[in-house]
Amino acid sequence: AVQLTQSPSSLSASVGDRVTITCRASQEIGNDLGWYQQKPGEAPKLLVFSAFTLQSGVPSRFSGRRSGTDFTLTISSLQPEDLGIYYCLHDYNFPWTFGQGTKVDIK
Amino acid sequence: QALLVESGGGVVQPGTSLRLSCAASGFRFATHGIHWVRQTPGKGLEWVALISFDGKNQYYGDSLRGRFTISRDNSKNMVYLQMHSPGPEDTAVYYCAKDHRNSGLDPWGRGTLVIVSS
Repeated sequence: AVQLTQSPSSLSASVGDRVTITCRASQEIGNDLGWYQQKPGEAPKLLVFSAFTLQSGVPSRFSGRRSGTDFTLTISSLQPEDLGIYYCLHDYNFPWTFGQGTKVDIK
Repeated sequence: QALLVESGGGVVQPGTSLRLSCAASGFRFATHGIHWVRQTPGKGLEWVALISFDGKNQYYGDSLRGRFTISRDNSKNMVYLQMHSPGPEDTAVYYCAKDHRNSGLDPWGRGTLVIVSS
């Protein structure tokens, strides 16, 4: 099964900071990766699919990129409501697998 | 808008079968695959299973194949997850989610908590 390694496991940043989370796949998966945000006490929410396509209604400060088997989610200007845990998920083949998550705190 | 609501969770003894349900509304149910994902307390997410729009194809996470069965009833807009002989390691919040263009999960339900304990 494809393994996804996310980094960092946690980060703390100030409002307005640029934040980047990385997800590395154990093999080639094309653009078949998405990003999810889980706020405390809530279900995860789709932010980005197919590596860089922003889901409808998601603020434009979120963006996704791919370089080979490395994928990044960037928040261009961190906002207080962005705190939570972010996960990557591949849909290249079965079984789909998640990264371990990155907890984002606001300083 | 699409809405998914899980039910059927609770406390169950190890080895006792349990069936979770996912009620869907607000979209053309019979044209979308449905997934189950679980989250163990304080830990990350684990993809559990997918059933295709017509129910003909099912896919499972590596550690779950043979222990869980996913099914659907398109006449009732329902998806089910049958847990056969669950163990304490299956304690988790179970979410159902609509397949999004074969490229993700959106939206998700609020989840149902399963506790496997004697």
